Amino acid sequence: SQKIEQNSEALNIQEGKTATLTCNYTNYSPAYLQWYRQDPGRGPVFLLLIRENEKEKRKERLKVTFDTTLKQSLFHITASQPADSATYLCALRMDSSYKLIFGSGTRLLVRP
Amino acid sequence: SAVISQKPSRDICQRGTSLTIQCQVDSQVTMMFWYRQQPGQSLTLIATANQGSEATYESGFVIDKFPISRPNLTFSTLTVSNLSPEDSSIYLCSVDPQETQYFGPGTRLLVL
Repeated sequence: SQKIEQNSEALNIQEGKTATLTCNYTNYSPAYLQWYRQDPGRGPVFLLLIRENEKEKRKERLKVTFDTTLKQSLFHITASQPADSATYLCALRMDSSYKLIFGSGTRLLVRP
Repeated sequence: SAVISQKPSRDICQRGTSLTIQCQVDSQVTMMFWYRQQPGQSLTLIATANQGSEATYESGFVIDKFPISRPNLTFSTLTVSNLSPEDSSIYLCSVDPQETQYFGPGTRLLVL
C-alpha cells in the first residue's frame, strides 16, 4: 500500500541546534516533494519544494534533501530558534496528478 | 502567491444540522481544493472544485454529504450536511496557482 511516514513523536531540541525531520514514502513515484509548516489553529504554509531530479535545496536556514532511491526526504533547520516550534508536514505530488498527498507531520519543539 | 480567507473561522453545531463554509481568494484560480484535518491527523483531500463544472470527490467523500459550489474563479463554498460528532474537524480550502499550495486559515467545526 502507499504510505507517507513522518515521525509521530515530537522532536525536542535545544535552541541553536540543527533540527532534522524525516519523511519516508513507499509505493509512490513523486514528481516533487514539498515541506509545509503548520502552527496551531492555522493552515499550512509552504516552505520548500524539491523535484525528483534535485538532491538538495536550501532557503536561508532551511535545507531539504531528496533521495528517490531511499524514498526519503530530510528537512533540516539550522541554528534553530523557539519560533521554529511548529508542526512540519511533507507532501508528495505525482507527475500525473494535481493532487498533493500529505504526511501526518512531525511536531518540533525548540527549547530556549 | 495567494491570500485566502475563510468564514466562519469556527462554529459549534448541533447534530443533524449543516454548516456552509465560504472560501475567498484574492486572485482568480482554476482549481480550489477542500481538505479536512481531523484532530492530530494530517490533511485529507475532500474534493477539487473547478469553476463551471461539478466538483471531483475523493474516495470516501460524497456529494450528498459535502456539496460544493464554485460560482466564479475567486470563491467556493463547502457544505457539511447532516452533521455528526465525527464531522468535528478543521476544514481548509486551498489553491494551487503555481505548484505550491496556499491554504486558508481553516474553519474549526465542533459538532455536539
